Amino acid sequence: GENVEQHPSTLSVQEGDSAVIKCTYSDSASNYFPWYKQELGKGPQLIIDIRSNVGEKKDQRIAVTLNKTAKHFSLHITETQPEDSAVYFCAAPPGADGLTFGKGTHLIIQP
Amino acid sequence: DVKVTQSSRYLVKRTGEKVFLECVQDMDHENMFWYRQDPGLGLRLIYFSYDVKMKEKGDIPEGYSVSREKKERFSLILESASTNQTSMYLCATVAGRVGGETQYFGPGTRLLVL
Repeated sequence: GENVEQHPSTLSVQEGDSAVIKCTYSDSASNYFPWYKQELGKGPQLIIDIRSNVGEKKDQRIAVTLNKTAKHFSLHITETQPEDSAVYFCAAPPGADGLTFGKGTHLIIQP
Repeated sequence: DVKVTQSSRYLVKRTGEKVFLECVQDMDHENMFWYRQDPGLGLRLIYFSYDVKMKEKGDIPEGYSVSREKKERFSLILESASTNQTSMYLCATVAGRVGGETQYFGPGTRLLVL
């Protein structure tokens, strides 16, 4: 099955700085890579996703990059704000059913 | 907007009790999932369902069962609750076959088994 590794587990950045979270996956057949944000007391919500036919996708301050050769993808958040504080999960399909999630990154934005 | 609701936000049960967690979605999605979320372990798939009366085991099905009698409703059952089932339980739904579609999550049920 798929194995998704996510780093770091905790990331603390100053407000206004950039944050980068990285994930690696094992199944070369995976072709869809979503990122979810979970705020305190809520379920995860999709914030951005990328498919294997593109290398980068941007949505305002958020971007995701994909390197299929190296089997890794990253979430980039620029100009971080207090409301970016949350737990972020990457995920990849195992090629059959469901999604395999990374263990999560707790992003802390320091004022 | 897709709405996924879970029957309880917080539950406290005793060891050995039978526990029902219910999930309802309003978007006519075919696929529904139950995950548990634990610190340091992320989200782990318990069971999923592609259709009414259909169920498939996920990565950690032991100690759980599910029921899907209607398309919009997917129930997770703990036949005899144990303390190691204390966790956050998340339901999710997706329109098409997973592998290219967004999963929509409910708010979660935090279960404490004493």
